[in-house]
Parts: sequence; C-alpha cells; structure tokens
Amino acid sequence: KQEVTQIPAALSVPEGENLVLNCSFTDSAIYNLQWFRQDPGKGLTSLLLIQSSQREQTSGRLNASLDKSSGRSTLYIAASQPGDSATYLCAPDQTGANNLFFGTGTRLTVIP
Amino acid sequence: GAGVSQSPSNKVTEKGKDVELRCDPISGHTALYWYRQSLGQGLEFLIYFQGNSAPDKSGLPSDRFSAERTGGSVSTLTIQRTQQEDSAVYLCASSLIKNTEAFFGQGTRLTVV
Repeated sequence: KQEVTQIPAALSVPEGENLVLNCSFTDSAIYNLQWFRQDPGKGLTSLLLIQSSQREQTSGRLNASLDKSSGRSTLYIAASQPGDSATYLCAPDQTGANNLFFGTGTRLTVIP
Repeated sequence: GAGVSQSPSNKVTEKGKDVELRCDPISGHTALYWYRQSLGQGLEFLIYFQGNSAPDKSGLPSDRFSAERTGGSVSTLTIQRTQQEDSAVYLCASSLIKNTEAFFGQGTRLTVV
C-alpha cells in the first residue's frame, strides 16, 4: 500500500519568505500527483496536478516538482503571504481514478 | 452550482442509527469520490464512481457502508448502524474524467454519540 510522508509536519515563516514543502511516497507507480491546501473547517482546494510524465507544474507563486523514480515531490511557494497559512497535502494517484493516498500534511503558518 | 456541494454540513447521530450523506458534484463531472478524514488521521479513500461503470468500493471499511449515484449526478453515502468510530469528516470530490484534477466539497462532519 502506498505510504505518503510529508516533511516538515509544521512550518512557521515570516511573510515574504520563499519556502519548500516536501513529499515522499513509497510506490513510484503513479499516474499523477496532486497538491491540495486545507483550511480549517473547509474542504480541500486543489492547487496543482502533475502528470507522471511531467517534472513540474507552475501556478502563480506555486511551483510543484515531481521526481517519480525517487518517489518525491516538492511544493515551492514564493514570496509567502499570511493568506497562504493552511495545511498542505500531497496525494499521489495510483490508478488515474483519483484513488488518492494522502499524507498527513504540512501545517504552514505565515507570520505577518 | 459552481462547486461540489455536500449536505448536511454537520450531523450528530446516536449510535446504532442510520445516516445518509449527500453529495452534489460539479455539473458535467463524470467521476465522483468519497473520502473520510478521522481525527488526527489522513484522508482515506472510500468509493469511486465513474460514469455508468460499476463503482470501485475497495475503500469501504465495512458492509455497513454503502453508496449510490443516481442518474450519474447526485450521490448518497449511507452508513447503517453507526458506531462511534464512524465519527469523521466525510468528503466528496468530483472530476471531469478520471486522471484529472479532483475538486472537493466542504465535507460533512459526522459525530456519533
């Protein structure tokens, strides 16, 4: 069974800093990998989806990379803002049917 | 609607009672998924519907759990004879087709007392 690890579990940074969130997964046979953010009391918001054939995806201040063979993905957030404070989850998809395996997330706090 | 809608947002039920949770996916999305998030744990896949195909029920934790999707749109997750360990946030997601971005609802927080 796929196991997903996210490091660090929690991160606190001052506003304006660039930061990297790490995700590792044990089974590299994936179709794609998604990064989500989860705000307290709310559902998940999809941030980026990287197909297994891609190495990175960018959306605004976010850049996600994927090294499928080594079972790693990173989410880079540039010029962090207080509104970025949330829990960030990575989720590889084993089957292409959104049978997602979630890590326990990285709780990010951006201090104004 | 513009996003995935789930109802109710909160549900408190007595142990042993049956509950139904509803999910309205984004219009036109053919794939629908149910997950649950128990306190202090990660998200757990429950079931997946794709069009008119037989659903993938591999994540359902017991036969007390069932789900249906009527007319390829709205889905209902039913938990029979609820137990305290069923307490969790139940999240529904939809995607346009398989292998595309999943959009999540805000979830139903179920508390079994």
